Amino acid sequence: GQNIDQPTEMTATEGAIVQINCTYQTSGFNGLFWYQQHAGEAPTFLSYNVLDGLEEKGRFSSFLSRSKGYSYLLLKELQMKDSASYLCAVEIWDTDKLIFGTGTRLQVFP
Amino acid sequence: GAVVSQHPSRVICKSGTSVKIECRSLDFQATTMFWYRQFPKQSLMLMATSNEGSKATYEQGVEKDKFLINHASLTLSTLTVTSAHPEDSSFYICSARDLASGSLYNEQFFGPGTRLTVL
Repeated sequence: GQNIDQPTEMTATEGAIVQINCTYQTSGFNGLFWYQQHAGEAPTFLSYNVLDGLEEKGRFSSFLSRSKGYSYLLLKELQMKDSASYLCAVEIWDTDKLIFGTGTRLQVFP
Repeated sequence: GAVVSQHPSRVICKSGTSVKIECRSLDFQATTMFWYRQFPKQSLMLMATSNEGSKATYEQGVEKDKFLINHASLTLSTLTVTSAHPEDSSFYICSARDLASGSLYNEQFFGPGTRLTVL
């Protein structure tokens, strides 16, 4: 089976840094995506990792360790608009399919 | 570019009726589209992979006779929820990949979703 786990909920303060973890055990791996989703809306792409290491993109960074089956999304200088759900998703090798993690609801407080 | 639309955005129907949801890639061709279902406060669950010109591939536990998928052209896939019941009420989202984008990774572009409520 496919298991992709994330913390269910997190809270943080405006201006702070938050790290959202994702652990996975999947049958084949072709890359890991992070998406942001506001309630009632479609997910929007944040980042992609296929090699080990850190990918930085403005306030958002994503890290991957393939040997550990582990990724995290780092959000810096948090803003109120960052309150949303964050979904990690693993692309399964040779299928084009994305399997989504359980999702993390982040609330940013003033 | 890479815009995916869905129609309708919201639908309310009576139990026992069938509902068709359309997913269109507006500015690119998609040989493969995906259908997801999302219950409140939960993540996206892949239902099926829609392949242009061939049968859809369903995930384990998804009834193919209940969720009919047709991918008749490179820009349109439809999901029909047959004989809908209240437990089918959910947020249905489609996605597509733009194979001609030249992107280094297989980013999926998501439609805005369809909120189905079955009374």
